[in-house]
Amino acid sequence: DAGVIQSPRHEVTEMGQEVTLRCKPISGHDYLFWYRQTMMRGLELLIYFNNNVPIDDSGMPEDRFSAKMPNASFSTLKIQPSEPRDSAVYFCASSRGLAGFYNEQFFGPGTRLTVL
Amino acid sequence: SQQGEEDPQALSIQEGENATMNCSYKTSINNLQWYRQNSGRGLVHLILIRSNEREKHSGRLRVTLDTSKKSSSLLITASRAADTASYFCATDQGSGSARQLTFGSGTQLTVLP
Repeated sequence: DAGVIQSPRHEVTEMGQEVTLRCKPISGHDYLFWYRQTMMRGLELLIYFNNNVPIDDSGMPEDRFSAKMPNASFSTLKIQPSEPRDSAVYFCASSRGLAGFYNEQFFGPGTRLTVL
Repeated sequence: SQQGEEDPQALSIQEGENATMNCSYKTSINNLQWYRQNSGRGLVHLILIRSNEREKHSGRLRVTLDTSKKSSSLLITASRAADTASYFCATDQGSGSARQLTFGSGTQLTVLP
């Protein structure tokens, strides 16, 4: 298996632009998580899905952030409009739900977002 | 606030020495996990210890859990330069839809050759 795939790996954009981050989870995993990592705040859970349904989006910082999972093999995290404080590394992770998502999570390589 | 807090924030040791990192948490947990993150990479799961376990081994890794003190430690024996990374503890807490895995702020380990 290729593992969790994220694209793009790096994104540089200007303030006010729309940014879309993409994630393909590991096949067979039914939980998908979006995290944001910064030096100041560490690793933060933004939202997670179970069987393509958003379960907890309480970590989404504000309405500028939205996430979708149209099918079991694809998810997007969108920021519109983007702001410099959104600059961070965004990780997608997936896990198999048989024992609950408290089993190990498999992380993608991350997308490094820079908003100028 | 972070559920799991690692200590120390940074640790520098010589190759061959043992490295010990600690994690403290505040509320009861279902299990505790340790992850490693190499620079510029995603996190990689190392080991999981359940709340009813006290010690677990995996290769050169040894994890202990003391639920009475709400703390865990990760020991890496005979460290290698390749062990240089950030190490995070993650606590699985809550139940039902409120269940979540919360990551600490990490310990940056540097193993000098």
